[in-house]
Amino acid sequence: DQQVKQNSPSLSVQEGRISILNCDYTNSMFDYFLWYKKYPAEGPTFLISISSIKDKNEDGRFTVFLNKSAKHLSLHIVPSQPGDSAVYFCAAINRGGGADGLTFGKGTHLIIQP
Amino acid sequence: GAGVSQSPSNKVTEKGKDVELRCDPISGHTALYWYRQRLGQGLEFLIYFQGNSAPDKSGLPSDRFSAERTGESVSTLTIQRTQQEDSAVYLCASSLVRGDYGYTFGSGTRLTVV
Repeated sequence: DQQVKQNSPSLSVQEGRISILNCDYTNSMFDYFLWYKKYPAEGPTFLISISSIKDKNEDGRFTVFLNKSAKHLSLHIVPSQPGDSAVYFCAAINRGGGADGLTFGKGTHLIIQP
Repeated sequence: GAGVSQSPSNKVTEKGKDVELRCDPISGHTALYWYRQRLGQGLEFLIYFQGNSAPDKSGLPSDRFSAERTGESVSTLTIQRTQQEDSAVYLCASSLVRGDYGYTFGSGTRLTVV
């Protein structure tokens, strides 16, 4: 039972345009969400997070939006740059329930075209 | 060191043998996590250590898996009687304190069971 779903295995976007990566979740107890970015042969690196009490969090070119009623979050990257080409993982956790481990989606491979 | 260090980076083992994977977290990081990523899947939480407290072993898939950590130092993940389904990249991460989910991951150990 996959509780965090990233339904697009890959996404191709032109350099300079907006990249939008989507993530859906089924567990309504999740109260904290994160995005990680992963290059080949490296570990994931933390990008941005959002608490369930917010609907938006921004950090430079990266913005995460949370729609709790739809159990959906998205990561916007504006403008997209070649170095953004990587696999992006959405992750979630039930902090209030005392969980220790994140639940990850399968990832979306973002390809930025020159 | 500056980052999370994992060794070996690659390990090929025969089915039925035991393997030991090592993680050296960032100095001063009290929280340490093990995850694994099987081919085409998201990261799966395995185990969490916080200082000298009892670890959260809720993600370990079977009793063939065990892990140790002494204080806030090195951790080892041991898989006994390896099976082909254990083939995965095993990732270690650390963070300064519990509740800081913007982990720093190591580059992982790619385990192949033949």
